[in-house]
Amino acid sequence: GENVEQHPSTLSVQEGDSAVIKCTYSDSASNYFPWYKQELGKRPQLIIDIRSNVGEKKDQRIAVTLNKTAKHFSLHITETQPEDSAVYFCAASKNNQGGKLIFGQGTELSVKP
Amino acid sequence: NAGVMQNPRHLVRRRGQEARLRCSPMKGHSHVYWYRQLPEEGLKFMVYLQKENIIDESGMPKERFSAEFPKEGPSILRIQQVVRGDSAAYFCASSLADGAYGYTFGSGTRLTVV
Repeated sequence: GENVEQHPSTLSVQEGDSAVIKCTYSDSASNYFPWYKQELGKRPQLIIDIRSNVGEKKDQRIAVTLNKTAKHFSLHITETQPEDSAVYFCAASKNNQGGKLIFGQGTELSVKP
Repeated sequence: NAGVMQNPRHLVRRRGQEARLRCSPMKGHSHVYWYRQLPEEGLKFMVYLQKENIIDESGMPKERFSAEFPKEGPSILRIQQVVRGDSAAYFCASSLADGAYGYTFGSGTRLTVV
């Protein structure tokens, strides 16, 4: 069935360093890939997304890259700050499934001051 | 715009009781999705509904769980005869159109079964 694998499960970086989180998906028909940030006890919040007709998208310190051939996509956070500490989830969906999202297992990012 | 509203925020039920979780989508949104998040895990899709219709319930357990989205009022996720394994955070999301593009999650209902 459909599956999204996310790595690493935990990531610790020093403030100012970059952080990279990677996801792979199994269904080649997937065409929409959002990333969510979830702080402890709060709702997941969309931080960036990418569609399959684009290879890269950037929004200030956050960027996402997509490799459709290899079926993987990555989140890049530059100049990390302590407030970036949270759990990050990748997800994938495809057109003929309405809005059903398949989520990765999550990455707990810790940014040390 | 109040966003996606879920209530209650916290719900405690004894084993065997029923749990009712409510979700009011964002104004103008007619598509509602329910997800379950077990402690320290990712979100798992449960069900996708439009007004008066269940579109995809492939993630719903076969027994004890049901969902509805009536013509008037919020969407309801109902869990009958709860067991300890039902303890989780249940998130609802809504979207304007058919598709996952940028949809918004509610704050969730944290169900604890004692």
